[in-house]
Amino acid sequence: KNEVEQSPQNLTAQEGEFITINCSYSVGISALHWLQQHPGGGIVSLFMLSSGKKKHGRLIATINIQEKHSSLHITASHPRDSAVYICAVPYSGGGADGLTFGKGTHLIIQP
Amino acid sequence: DTEVTQTPKHLVMGMTNKKSLKCEQHMGHRAMYWYKQKAKKPPELMFVYSYEKLSINESVPSRFSPECPNSSLLNLHLHALQPEDSALYLCASSPGVESNEQYFGPGTRLTVT
Repeated sequence: KNEVEQSPQNLTAQEGEFITINCSYSVGISALHWLQQHPGGGIVSLFMLSSGKKKHGRLIATINIQEKHSSLHITASHPRDSAVYICAVPYSGGGADGLTFGKGTHLIIQP
Repeated sequence: DTEVTQTPKHLVMGMTNKKSLKCEQHMGHRAMYWYKQKAKKPPELMFVYSYEKLSINESVPSRFSPECPNSSLLNLHLHALQPEDSALYLCASSPGVESNEQYFGPGTRLTVT
């Protein structure tokens, strides 16, 4: 089973700041997932990436397969970005096998 | 339709009750999942169904019994639960072996009294 480490666990920032959340994992993977969870429980998939970089709006995700490391960046952060951000990897190696999650980063953006 | 629905949203049950959680998707996905999430913890994988066959059962107690009647529907039957089973139960689906991108339902918040 893959081990997933995320940092920081908690992050409070001011509106407009550039945010970085880091994720590292122990075993090679086919793809890494970044997810967002708001209070109340709903989880939304933000990115699934296997190499390089992906961008969606103000969110950017990067992955370095050799170093087993990924980062999620938020540019021009806004209070509505406040949520828990979770990094996840395939449970046992890829395909339809579920996800193993990091502990999450609780992000608060203050106006 | 890119939605995964779960019913009920909330459930309170006694330790001797039998209840079921239901999950449905109409995206043509061939893999469906149950996760359990305790407060302030990340979700933990419980079961995986791939092409309507149980492919992963992560050492879950037998008081939880999954069922996949067809490719759109996933149930979780509950019997003789313990208070420590109180949690948010999340269902997800993904296209199948070609992609593991997961679409999550809103969850069922279960309280066992």
